[in-house]
Amino acid sequence: KQEVTQIPAALSVPEGENLVLNCSFTDSAIYNLQWFRQDPGKGLTSLLLIQSSQREQTSGRLNASLDKSSGRSTLYIAASQPGDSATYLCAAENNFNKFYFGSGTKLNVKP
Amino acid sequence: ETGVTQSPTHLIKTRGQQVTLRCSSQSGHNTVSWYQQALGQGPQFIFQYYREEENGRGNFPPRFSGLQFPNYSSELNVNALELDDSALYLCASSLSGSSYEQYFGPGTRLTVT
Repeated sequence: KQEVTQIPAALSVPEGENLVLNCSFTDSAIYNLQWFRQDPGKGLTSLLLIQSSQREQTSGRLNASLDKSSGRSTLYIAASQPGDSATYLCAAENNFNKFYFGSGTKLNVKP
Repeated sequence: ETGVTQSPTHLIKTRGQQVTLRCSSQSGHNTVSWYQQALGQGPQFIFQYYREEENGRGNFPPRFSGLQFPNYSSELNVNALELDDSALYLCASSLSGSSYEQYFGPGTRLTVT
């Protein structure tokens, strides 16, 4: 059974700092890894999807990498802003369209 | 193009009752997945429907059941509600195939008293 772990559980940084969120998974036989953002009490917003054949994806200030052999993915956020404050979740897709989520990293960016 | 919508937004039920939650998929998506998210946790996969057939199930008891309709909208039914069923229920739609992103709805907050 796939187990997904996210470290740290919470992170507080000053505005403008670059930061890295970590995600690890136990079963390296994944199809995709997807990063999401969740605002309090809301649904999930897709940020980046990395297919198993890819090593990284970039969107604006976000960059996500994937190392299947070590069972790890990282989400890099450049020049953080207060609007980036949210919970960030990673999800590993094993079998067809079935995602296994970590518990998330709660990010607070202080003005 | 409309996104994924869910109804109702909030719901309060009593232990032992039954509940039906609804989801409308994003236009063109033929796959819908349901997740349960307890407070402070990541979403847990309940089941998935593809073209009206169940296409996989997580570790949830049979009192959690679902339907997908020809227009790809979906329902999640929970019978004999328990206090631990209190959670945010999320649905996500996608095109079939492992290269496609899942798009989530805003969720239904269920409280069981």
